[in-house]
Amino acid sequence: TQTVSQSDAHVTVFEGDSVELRCNYSYGGSIYLSWYIQHHGRGLQFLLKYYSGNPVVQGVNGFEAEFSKSDSSFHLRKASVHWSDSAVYFCAVSPAYQGGRALIFGTGTTVSVSP
Amino acid sequence: NSKVIQTPRYLVKGQGQKAKMRCIPEKGHPVVFWYQQNKNNEFKFLINFQNQEVLQQIDMTEKRFSAECPSNSPCSLEIQSSEAGDSALYLCASRPGQGATEVFFGKGTRLTVV
Repeated sequence: TQTVSQSDAHVTVFEGDSVELRCNYSYGGSIYLSWYIQHHGRGLQFLLKYYSGNPVVQGVNGFEAEFSKSDSSFHLRKASVHWSDSAVYFCAVSPAYQGGRALIFGTGTTVSVSP
Repeated sequence: NSKVIQTPRYLVKGQGQKAKMRCIPEKGHPVVFWYQQNKNNEFKFLINFQNQEVLQQIDMTEKRFSAECPSNSPCSLEIQSSEAGDSALYLCASRPGQGATEVFFGKGTRLTVV
């Protein structure tokens, strides 16, 4: 059974602070890992992905994520958050060799950025 | 920015009524997904297509759900007899092809079953 766990349901930070959102997964095969952001009332937007190579991947708007095979993790980070980063962040896994490669999502972390 | 178009944005149906929502994937994207996102932010994959062919689907909840992606027409997801538990945000997404990894989502159709 594939699972994606996001341990923090809600994170509150001040503008300019750094933030790390945790994602742990359980899957036996080769996978793609990705992060998506969902602003209120909008669809999901892609932030970044990892499949192989350098375990630190850069995404849009200053986000980066680090893959760790030993920890089965793919944590998302940003060095300095902006108020517009307030949103729900979803970690997702998709099997690399399955025909449709449907995404399996975590339940999200809501980030609230205070001025 | 995603160009996946979903209509309607909001849909209100009574229990037992049909609910139909549509999705126009991004141009040139042959792979289309439907997901259900409930109020607890839990996602359920429903079905995906490559062109008009079904790639994967779940056992669609007592067969009340049906979906299609005809050529030259919007994709659609229909619930034959809506139940209160179907109230959710239904998200359509498309992907450029089997080799691509990024998936582009529409804004969703929020279904409320009263």
